[in-house]
Amino acid sequence: DVKVTQSSRYLVKRTGEKVFLECVQDMDHENMFWYRQDPGLGLRLIYFSYDVKMKEKGDIPEGYSVSREKKERFSLILESASTNQTSMYLCASSLSTGGTQPQHFGDGTRLSIL
Amino acid sequence: DAKTTQPTSMDCAEGRAANLPCNHSTISGNEYVYWYRQIHSQGPQYIIHGLKNNETNEMASLIITEDRKSSTLILPHATLRDTAVYYCIVAGANNLFFGTGTRLTVIP
Repeated sequence: DVKVTQSSRYLVKRTGEKVFLECVQDMDHENMFWYRQDPGLGLRLIYFSYDVKMKEKGDIPEGYSVSREKKERFSLILESASTNQTSMYLCASSLSTGGTQPQHFGDGTRLSIL
Repeated sequence: DAKTTQPTSMDCAEGRAANLPCNHSTISGNEYVYWYRQIHSQGPQYIIHGLKNNETNEMASLIITEDRKSSTLILPHATLRDTAVYYCIVAGANNLFFGTGTRLTVIP
């Protein structure tokens, strides 16, 4: 089974802090994704990566950056956290692009910015 | 990506089949239909996907109409652990548009 592991289930940070969310997958998947999930808004794509050191902006990249130095690891960075970034963050990975293979999700990180 | 329409909520008796409908009338030829579910406080769990043909796996069956404008997810013998929000998604690229899904409640 695919295993996508997010480093923290719950995280509390302060406004202005630099925040790192880590995600690791163990299935040698090419693609990795970061989403945020908010009530009434569903999942929204922040960034995705289709290869090491490659990244593409999703629908809501503002205020975020990402890093993919190794194939199995994809990090989401909040450069200067703000209260409107309080959310559930979900990482996913998939074997290939084009919608032919499913994305597999981690259990999420519930981030609160105070 | 095409968007989908699902009922907001459904109930199903434990042990009975749960049939969850989805409309995706603007689906294009190369887009797949995916179903995920999400149990409270967990990440979405992949269930099944298909392009044109009906599909079955250990979790569920997926019935896609011939014109591909709608589909039905079937959980053959619903259990209490199947209580979750079920998302029908049409995906042709990397982005998955989850929408608000159907909240399925399995009743003892």
